[in-house]
Formats: sequence, structure tokens, C-alpha cells
Amino acid sequence: EVHLVESGGGLVQPGGSLRLSCAASGFTFSAYWMHWVRQVPGKGLAWVSRINGDGEESSTRYADAVKGRFTISRDNAKNTLYLRVNSVRADDSAVYYCARGLRSGATFYFDYWGRGIQVTVSS
Amino acid sequence: SSELTQPPSVSVSPGQTARITCSGDAMPKKYAYWYQHKSGQAPVLVIYEDTKRPPGIPERFSGSTSGTTATLIITGAQADDEADYHCYSTDINGNHVFGGGSTLTVL
Repeated sequence: EVHLVESGGGLVQPGGSLRLSCAASGFTFSAYWMHWVRQVPGKGLAWVSRINGDGEESSTRYADAVKGRFTISRDNAKNTLYLRVNSVRADDSAVYYCARGLRSGATFYFDYWGRGIQVTVSS
Repeated sequence: SSELTQPPSVSVSPGQTARITCSGDAMPKKYAYWYQHKSGQAPVLVIYEDTKRPPGIPERFSGSTSGTTATLIITGAQADDEADYHCYSTDINGNHVFGGGSTLTVL
């Protein structure tokens, strides 16, 4: 059974940093693209970032809102996905989900998700 | 990037058919996906590629498309189906786009 468990969230001051982790189990982690998606309370989901199964930097993509501040990476030996969040702002406060990615032609979508981890940016 | 528009809320009585729409300019060219999301739980894929149902998803969940609108249909809605439902697709530039989410109430 596929399991994705996020960790590393919490309270962080504006301008601060933290690293989110997503521990994966139940599938061959290195065979799949992985994504981060976030949700501000009361609002819709918003895609954040993606990385291919090999963890190639050239494969990474970011939403415009986080480009230059967030960095996605993975350690396939540890079956873990990461999101380094730097220079955080109040509008980065959200629940962050990791999700396993599939492709349908040129379209990415997500077949399994974690339960999410809360990140709160406040002084 | 393009937007996907959903109604904020949909209400039905138990046993009725719930229809949740998702409108977007790229819909005729791109597949729609639907996720069920209950508070505090992981989102669950209930429809992919417009009309397909993943293993384990009840048959009462189905999807359809017409022009620029995709629709999630829950035939014979049950109390357990109460949740937020999010549509997802990509725009013509390949950007990942979610709708604003629709809260389904069954009462």
C-alpha cells in the first residue's frame, strides 16, 4: 500500500527557512515523479513543485509564487522527498502535501497524496 | 496560467445525484481529474482522464465532459461522500491548475 507521510512543518518567522520531508513507502520510489502541492485554509489547492524519479535538477519546476525561494530534491536511497523553503512570507502559510505523480501523455497528475503538514509563517 | 472555475458549494439529499462542474478554456484539449478531500485526510483521486475511475472508487462516481466543462457526477450520493471536491487539469502551456474546490453537502 502506498504511504506518503510529510514532516518538518511548524511555525517559522517571516524571512526564515525550514525543510519539509515526505517519507514514501509501498512503491518503487525512484520510478515516480513527485510533487508538492499546498492549500491555504479556505482556498483551493495550488501546485508548488515537481521533480523526476532520478532527482535531476534539470527536471525540477516551480510555481511562479515560489520560484527562487523553494528547492525540491529527493534521496532515493532513503525514499524521501524534500522541499527547502527559504525567505518565507505570510502567504506561504498553508498545508503542504506531497503527491506521487503520473503522466498521461503530456499531462501530469497525482494518484496518491499524503495527509499534509502545516506551515505557519508568523512573527 | 488558465483558471478552472467550480461552484463553491453543492447540496443534495441522500440518494440524489450530485453534479459538480469545472469550467476552463483548455478543457476541450486537456483531461480533467477529480479529487475528493475530507478534512485532515489525504486527497483521493476519484476520476482521471475525464471519465475513468481508479480501482477501489465506488461506481457511483463518474465523470463527463462537454466543451469547456467537466462534470463530476455522484449517483445516489451518500453521507460519506460529504467532502471538498477539487478538479485539476493543465493549461495549454502545461501549467498545473486546480479549481477552487466545491464543498458537497449531503443532507
